[in-house]
Amino acid sequence: TAGITQAPTSQILAAGRRMTLRCTQDMRHNAMYWYRQDLGLGLRLIHYSNTAGTTGKGEVPDGYSVSRANTDDFPLTLASAVPSQTSVYFCASSDGTGNTGELFFGEGSRLTVL
Amino acid sequence: GQNIDQPTEMTATEGAIVQINCTYQTSGFNGLFWYQQHAGEAPTFLSYNVLDGLEEKGRFSSFLSRSKGYSYLLLKELQMKDSASYLCAVMDSNYQLIWGAGTKLIIKP
Repeated sequence: TAGITQAPTSQILAAGRRMTLRCTQDMRHNAMYWYRQDLGLGLRLIHYSNTAGTTGKGEVPDGYSVSRANTDDFPLTLASAVPSQTSVYFCASSDGTGNTGELFFGEGSRLTVL
Repeated sequence: GQNIDQPTEMTATEGAIVQINCTYQTSGFNGLFWYQQHAGEAPTFLSYNVLDGLEEKGRFSSFLSRSKGYSYLLLKELQMKDSASYLCAVMDSNYQLIWGAGTKLIIKP
């Protein structure tokens, strides 16, 4: 079972470049999330989507955008990357909104911005 | 503000028992989660508590006291594969998850 697939696994990027991190799930989950994980900090929510066609801002949305054209895909775009966006990015999904269900995470995308 | 506190690192011996504490201050409470994250991998769900008390699941148990804003994860019969980070997360009144920074657990033979 694939679950959640993220791509690329890792990427080195020059500052100022545009980058899209891809996320696809095959569990038909309604809700999807993008987190970043930095050393010494908890996971921080960037953007989320409660259902296809809707998105919302999380704790640290600046410099990032998302779209949710369908249930399965939830790409994260950095329009003009900056070094502070160097991080590990995790995409996650859950089976409902406002629920108590667990999150299922992708394997992460390690992004380095130089 | 909202915050989740848990120890940065703990060390325990194979076969022993370890308790990882988590205290929280959040705007409302809709449940507390524990996740396990091996180095370089994705977090995976361990447990969920919404009512006070102990939830047991094999070698792992999770306890919650809502009045004290406190939870712990108890790991028994430690195995080397339990070496990982353990993340505490609380769902607030807006159903948003607030995450602790994680506790890195080192198991020694």
